[in-house]
Amino acid sequence: GQNIDQPTEMTATEGAIVQINCTYQTSGFNGLFWYQQHAGEAPTFLSYNVLDGLEEKGRFSSFLSRSKGYSYLLLKELQMKDSASYLCAVREDSNYQLIWGAGTKLIIKP
Amino acid sequence: DGGITQSPKYLFRKEGQNVTLSCEQNLNHDAMYWYRQDPGQGLRLIYYSQIVNDFQKGDIAEGYSVSREKKESFPLTVTSAQKNPTAFYLCASSTQGYSNQPQHFGDGTRLSIL
Repeated sequence: GQNIDQPTEMTATEGAIVQINCTYQTSGFNGLFWYQQHAGEAPTFLSYNVLDGLEEKGRFSSFLSRSKGYSYLLLKELQMKDSASYLCAVREDSNYQLIWGAGTKLIIKP
Repeated sequence: DGGITQSPKYLFRKEGQNVTLSCEQNLNHDAMYWYRQDPGQGLRLIYYSQIVNDFQKGDIAEGYSVSREKKESFPLTVTSAQKNPTAFYLCASSTQGYSNQPQHFGDGTRLSIL
């Protein structure tokens, strides 16, 4: 069956680094997306991985290991505005639908 | 500016009433999606459409209906058959043909029962 697991909640300190993990079990794999969602707002796209390795985009990086069914989102130099939920989503095949994890709520403390 | 517009932002439904949520996009995207988001759960797909005049059921289509008469518009009707409609509803769109293209979201409609 399809399953995507993320920690429910994480806490980190302003200025620090945090890693949010995502593991997935799907019948196929055609890419993994990370989104940020502030409370009561729309999800916004952060990153996309389809090949193994690290994709860096400013303070945010995303890593993928297809053999392990594992990805992480790395946030550096944390700012208070990074307090949000982070959603992991997998595209199983070419029909462009996404399977979504429940999201990780990240709390940043001063 | 290109984007996705959902309206209304807040909506209240009475017992036995059908309500329609609007979703309009000017991104020239072929595909459009409706999701439901409940606390502590991932986004769940209600319906999706990859082309005008065609749409498919998602994982939780019961109690909902959609239409796709224009490329820009994908309204969702929550019928009286949906017994637990209170949720945050998100509309999204994306291009077709490129697997790395993300879905773009509207600001959502929060539906509650009176």
